[in-house]
Amino acid sequence: EVQLLESGGGLVQPGGSLRLSCAASGFTLRIYAMSWVRQAPGKGLEWVSSIISGGGTTYHADSVKGRFTISRDTSRNTLYLQMDNLRAEDTAVYYCARHRDGFLNWFDPWGQGTLVTVSS
Amino acid sequence: EIVMTQSPATLSVSPGERATLSCRASQSVSSNLAWYQQKPAQAPRLLMFDASTRATGIPARFSGSGSGTNFTLTISSLQSEDFAVYYCQQYNVWPPLTFGGGTKVEIK
Repeated sequence: EVQLLESGGGLVQPGGSLRLSCAASGFTLRIYAMSWVRQAPGKGLEWVSSIISGGGTTYHADSVKGRFTISRDTSRNTLYLQMDNLRAEDTAVYYCARHRDGFLNWFDPWGQGTLVTVSS
Repeated sequence: EIVMTQSPATLSVSPGERATLSCRASQSVSSNLAWYQQKPAQAPRLLMFDASTRATGIPARFSGSGSGTNFTLTISSLQSEDFAVYYCQQYNVWPPLTFGGGTKVEIK
């Protein structure tokens, strides 16, 4: 069974850092493109970052570019999101999700999400 | 960036009735469109991809149509478990991948 399990969320002060993890099971992470999507409280879905298969080219939304970094550890079959210089507007549930293949298309499946709260 | 606009924001429907949700793209996305369902405190679930192909396990009462800039998700006879928020998402041009703002289907 394909599963994604996020961890690493929590409360952090503005300007702080946090690293989210997404442990994948039931499939080989490096073969698929993977993404992070977030949802601020009471709001809609916002794409954050993606990494495609093969060479692992990465993409980031303008709102997080230069502050967030997506990466993967193929030996651990785990996806990461390093979040630096966090702002109040980064407060959200962060979901990791897999794509159909090595490129960006639809998201399926999704993890259960991990809550990040940026507040002093 | 392709902007996705969903309407209406809220749709009030009685159980057993048909629901029609709309999604419009600011430029053509061909048929590269997906729909998701999200219930409170749950992760989104894929309903439809390539505009009209149901994902695994999705009941036949859900159908998708459209191409280019105008898309529709239809739920033919609403069941109690269908009351949720629905999002469309384009993957024709990226980055960024973009979502619509969502349509909440509520009980009338």
